[in-house]
Amino acid sequence: EAGVTQFPSHSVIEKGQTVTLRCDPISGHDNLYWYRRVMGKEIKFLLHFVKESKQDESGMPNNRFLAERTGGTYSTLKVQPAELEDSGVYFCASSPRDRGGTEAFFGQGTRLTVV
Amino acid sequence: QKEVEQNSGPLSVPEGAIASLNCTYSDRVSQSFFWYRQYSGKSPELIMSIYSNGDKEDGRFTAQLNKASQYVSLLIRDSQPSDSATYLCAVNMGGGADGLTFGKGTHLIIQP
Repeated sequence: EAGVTQFPSHSVIEKGQTVTLRCDPISGHDNLYWYRRVMGKEIKFLLHFVKESKQDESGMPNNRFLAERTGGTYSTLKVQPAELEDSGVYFCASSPRDRGGTEAFFGQGTRLTVV
Repeated sequence: QKEVEQNSGPLSVPEGAIASLNCTYSDRVSQSFFWYRQYSGKSPELIMSIYSNGDKEDGRFTAQLNKASQYVSLLIRDSQPSDSATYLCAVNMGGGADGLTFGKGTHLIIQP
């Protein structure tokens, strides 16, 4: 069974540009989470989808970040326009509906560098 | 602010000994507790979950939870060099929050 897959693995963009990160969860997992780890800090929760619905987006830092999960399958996280402080590793995680939503499997992350 | 605290280490343990990793959390209503292992450049991997006070054993791993003291620990018996990694403590704070609150992680080194 394929795990959680994230694209790209690395991205280097200039300040002010737009970047879109993609996450393919484990097939059949209703819950999809985005997390971020900036250098020297802990992994922080961004938002949670149940199928295509945003269940909790309390961790989204500001309106430059837009997450979508059309059709309840893969998800995208767009940063527009990117700022230097957006640099970090963005993780996606998924879990089955009946696991309570918190025993999640993580992808390997996308390392975003804004220069 | 709701927090999860871990000693960043590095924690150095000889091969074959017991490694003890500790974590405290700030929110008394927290419901669910997890330990993730992360090798450098890899994804966090769930190794233990615990929901009620006491001990939970799985192979060489034992998770211990004390909600009164707001303390959760992970013991690794018969430590192997392959256990060398960063161990992340994560807590679901409850109260409607869906995501996990992570500590910064403890870097564990098992010395052959």
